[in-house]
Order: sequence, then structure tokens, then C-alpha cells
Amino acid sequence: GIQVEQSPPDLILQEGANSTLRCNFSDSVNNLQWFHQNPWGQLINLFYIPSGTKQNGRLSATTVATERYSLLYISSSQTTDSGVYFCAVDNQGGKLIFGQGTELSVKP
Amino acid sequence: GAGVSQSPSNKVTEKGKDVELRCDPISGHTALYWYRQRLGQGLEFLIYFQGNSAPDKSGLPSDRFSAERTGESVSTLTIQRTQQEDSAVYLCASSLWAGSSNQPQHFGDGTRLSIL
Repeated sequence: GIQVEQSPPDLILQEGANSTLRCNFSDSVNNLQWFHQNPWGQLINLFYIPSGTKQNGRLSATTVATERYSLLYISSSQTTDSGVYFCAVDNQGGKLIFGQGTELSVKP
Repeated sequence: GAGVSQSPSNKVTEKGKDVELRCDPISGHTALYWYRQRLGQGLEFLIYFQGNSAPDKSGLPSDRFSAERTGESVSTLTIQRTQQEDSAVYLCASSLWAGSSNQPQHFGDGTRLSIL
């Protein structure tokens, strides 16, 4: 089955810093989503981005489907950005396969 | 409702008991998914429904796990004879289904299951 690898596994930032999270996947996909899991365990949709580039406020994402990777950019990070960021993909028209996540901690 | 609703939010039970978890998808979403998240790990797929049928139940870990969906709406995930390794957060998601196109999945807040 398709493999999803996220890097880095952990990241500590000072408030105001920028960061880039990466997601590599092993096969072509027709669905790719980025999620933020907050400290209370809620899984928040950030982007649905099987290809191309999208922006939402301080966050943006780019997926290069032909090269099988996606990047999530966080600019001017805030303490509320802390949590785990998951990339998930689907290539069979059903289940999402999740990476192991990047745990982000933003310090004030 | 506005989002995916799951109940109960927390469940503590003794080993060997049966538990039933409920998911109400977003109104109009024909696809419904169940996932499990163990502590400190990513989500594992369990089963998904298209309407009331389950085309893929490959993620169910054992025959103690079953799920059903009725009226193309509410789904229940049942775990029989619970074991301590069943302790996890069980998350439900739903999505529109537009032919062969994929749609984003929207998640509920999960049920935190603890087996004593």
C-alpha cells in the first residue's frame, strides 16, 4: 500500500518564526489533506490539496503530485499553532492513509 | 448538524465488556469513515461506508469489531469483549461522494475509549 512519510517528526519554534513541514508519499494520489490536531485532540482540516498551491491566512500548502510530495508553510507562528500536523493521502477512492505527524511546539 | 457528531465523548469500561460508539455524519454526506488513533500515533483506517454498504472493511483489527450504518446516516461501531489494546480514540469522518472524484473528509471530535 501507499506509504506516507512526514518530516521533521518534531519541531520547536520561537513565536514569530516561519517553518516548512514536508510530506512524501510513495504513489500517485487523488486526495491529499493537511490536518492540525490541537492539544485537545480535535482534528482540524487545513487544506484539501491533491495538487497545486493554496493559502489561508498565515498558512499555505503546495503539492507537487508528479514528484510525490507536499509542503505546509507556517509563517509568523503563534503559540496557538502548537500541536501535531498530519498529512493524509488516498489513492483508492476511500480510506485516508496518515503519516506519523510533525509535532510542533511554539514557544512565547 | 453543522459538523460530524460522535458519542459518547469518553467511555471507560471493564475488560470483556461490549461497547457501542456512535457517529452522526454531516447532513448530505454519503461517505462515512471510522479511524482509530492510539496514544502518540497517527490515525489507522478501520472501515468506510458508501451509503449503507461497506466497500472496504480491511482495517477492522479482529472479528470483535463490527460496524453498521442505516438510513445513509448514523453509524455505530461495536467492539465486543473489549481488550486493553482496544484503548484508543475512535474518530469518525464523513465526505460528499461525487462519482469517482474524491472529496475532503471532515472529522468529529472522537470517542476516547479506555479499557480497565
